[in-house]
Amino acid sequence: GAVVSQHPSRVICKSGTSVKIECRSLDFQATTMFWYRQFPKKSLMLMATSNEGSKATYEQGVEKDKFLINHASLTLSTLTVTSAHPEDSSFYICSARRQGSPDSYEQYFGPGTRLTVT
Amino acid sequence: GQNIDQPTEMTATEGAIVQINCTYQTSGFNGLFWYQQHAGEAPTFLSYNVLDGLEEKGRFSSFLSRSKGYSYLLLKELQMKDSASYLCAVIDSNYQLIWGAGTKLIIKP
Repeated sequence: GAVVSQHPSRVICKSGTSVKIECRSLDFQATTMFWYRQFPKKSLMLMATSNEGSKATYEQGVEKDKFLINHASLTLSTLTVTSAHPEDSSFYICSARRQGSPDSYEQYFGPGTRLTVT
Repeated sequence: GQNIDQPTEMTATEGAIVQINCTYQTSGFNGLFWYQQHAGEAPTFLSYNVLDGLEEKGRFSSFLSRSKGYSYLLLKELQMKDSASYLCAVIDSNYQLIWGAGTKLIIKP
């Protein structure tokens, strides 16, 4: 168990448009979901933490008006990159922490979304 | 500040053993993870250590020394498919996951 899906896996969009990325926990309920960004040959950079039914907590330096996060249910979180620019091109990865396991901080990762802004 | 150090890159031979080290300085400690990440894919969980000692899981083992702020991942009987990046991550006192930059492991025949 503990499968996380992301959609789309790859997306190419034009500069100025918005892109929505979905993250779903398929076989468990996730109280907390995380959104990461990863540049080539670099480690994961946490962008924000989202808890179901409440506003996301953004890391310092991450623009919350540009990266809109919605965690409407225990199985779905969405990241919308608004007015995308070429510098937003990156690999975006979500992860989910299983509900009801306070002693387990393991995060289950989605397969990632490769965003290219032209 | 918080810091996690891993070698940037290591090379090993198929069938051999390799040890990837990770040292950390964080505000508090609530556990350490090792993840494997193949190029272009998301990380996958390998191990979790919260107490000192060695955890063995098949060909992979992970060791932790909290007093030394040190962990290592040991990979035995290396296979070509083990070529990947290996990420060390520590849970700090705020229960945030602090990531190392990863070690790229290259396996040669």
